[in-house]
Amino acid sequence: QKEVEQNSGPLSVPEGAIASLNCTYSDRVSQSFFWYRQYSGKSPELIMSIYSNGDKEDGRFTAQLNKASQYVSLLIRDSQPSDSATYLCAPGGSGSARQLTFGSGTQLTVLP
Amino acid sequence: GAVVSQHPSWVICKSGTSVKIECRSLDFQATTMFWYRQFPKQSLMLMATSNEGSKATYEQGVEKDKFLINHASLTLSTLTVTSAHPEDSSFYICSARAPGRGSTDTQYFGPGTRLTVL
Repeated sequence: QKEVEQNSGPLSVPEGAIASLNCTYSDRVSQSFFWYRQYSGKSPELIMSIYSNGDKEDGRFTAQLNKASQYVSLLIRDSQPSDSATYLCAPGGSGSARQLTFGSGTQLTVLP
Repeated sequence: GAVVSQHPSWVICKSGTSVKIECRSLDFQATTMFWYRQFPKQSLMLMATSNEGSKATYEQGVEKDKFLINHASLTLSTLTVTSAHPEDSSFYICSARAPGRGSTDTQYFGPGTRLTVL
């Protein structure tokens, strides 16, 4: 089993729709979870962090965390073409280094 | 959010030369920085964890003598690709861990360095 699994892409949604990105992880010790967005040819950019079970909203983005199910998701409301990118889920890990473990990413395309 | 810079943003070099890439945390102190490599259409691959004042920890399969990492201060880590070859051509990205309370540390990424070895 992969350490971090994301829903297979590519995912296409029409402009204005809700994009739903899912992620499951195997490390039960992780206490922090991050969503990064990576545009083609660019480095990852942090868009959301979540530490507690439940929902966290930031503008058009909502992250949901369920530690018991080892599941984290990202919802993008009112999707825009500028949201087209690869989204990376990353549990924060444990230990002193707390290395991020990245999933393979979900490529999202928002169609105008 | 915290800012991490990398220099240079791109470099082209001849096979056999060495290339140094700098990673700086501009508005916070980072005791830990990370170096990643990403080939086209592939996932980020962690190369090493760099701790200020101590030796870097390399991931399995990464040659420590080829990829020299120095983390001399709380705001600067460098990666030197020694005797670079065309297969080392890749997108090298650093990240720095900004301290938070408890386990809320967050990693911020630099803009990356695109290395092309001819």
